[in-house]
Amino acid sequence: GQQVQQSPASLVLQEGENAELQCNFSTSLNSMQWFYQRPGGSLVSLFYNPSGTKHSGRLTSTTVIKERRSSLHISSSQTTDSGTYLCALEGDAGAKLTFGGGTRLTVRP
Amino acid sequence: EAAVTQSPRNKVTVTGGNVTLSCRQTNSHNYMYWYRQDTGHGLRLIHYSYGAGNLQIGDVPDGYKATRTTQEDFFLLLELASPSQTSLYFCASSAGTGGGRLFFGHGTKLSVL
Repeated sequence: GQQVQQSPASLVLQEGENAELQCNFSTSLNSMQWFYQRPGGSLVSLFYNPSGTKHSGRLTSTTVIKERRSSLHISSSQTTDSGTYLCALEGDAGAKLTFGGGTRLTVRP
Repeated sequence: EAAVTQSPRNKVTVTGGNVTLSCRQTNSHNYMYWYRQDTGHGLRLIHYSYGAGNLQIGDVPDGYKATRTTQEDFFLLLELASPSQTSLYFCASSAGTGGGRLFFGHGTKLSVL
């Protein structure tokens, strides 16, 4: 079965609203990373977060290993936040990262 | 910020053609990766390497070869390209297991006609 599942698959917000993106995993965790991708664009690293909570501007990542989940919170969304958000899991097997299917976020003005 | 440079940015070839995608990273990372990204399948790992001369098989290796000639350079080879290999290819690098963020190149859009 799929090791990394992201939800929701898509999300539409009005500018200023908050977003909560989820990543659930079924295998043991060595690290969890979050990425942002514009359509057809490259992936930009947002967080490297194996456990606990990390903040970066309006973004917050929380990884709870015992519950096998990681979340990305976007506060006060802006139109420029639109794009796809991907989580990626590195398991115990080594340096291979397994990606979730992504959440496509659209923020309307 | 780690720099990962891919070339070419776009490539069109015909079925049966040979294609080489190039990737160079300039931050002395040990690990380098080749992914393909397709609608409905997300990002899938083709091959990766943890140093010059090393090659590890990823999750979708069929039809692909790879070679890590130096610490900086990682190549992906399609020797008999097929239309199913039409995709967006990304190269990435990281410092290593459990210790490094993944940094991506801008991608190569490959079309096999």
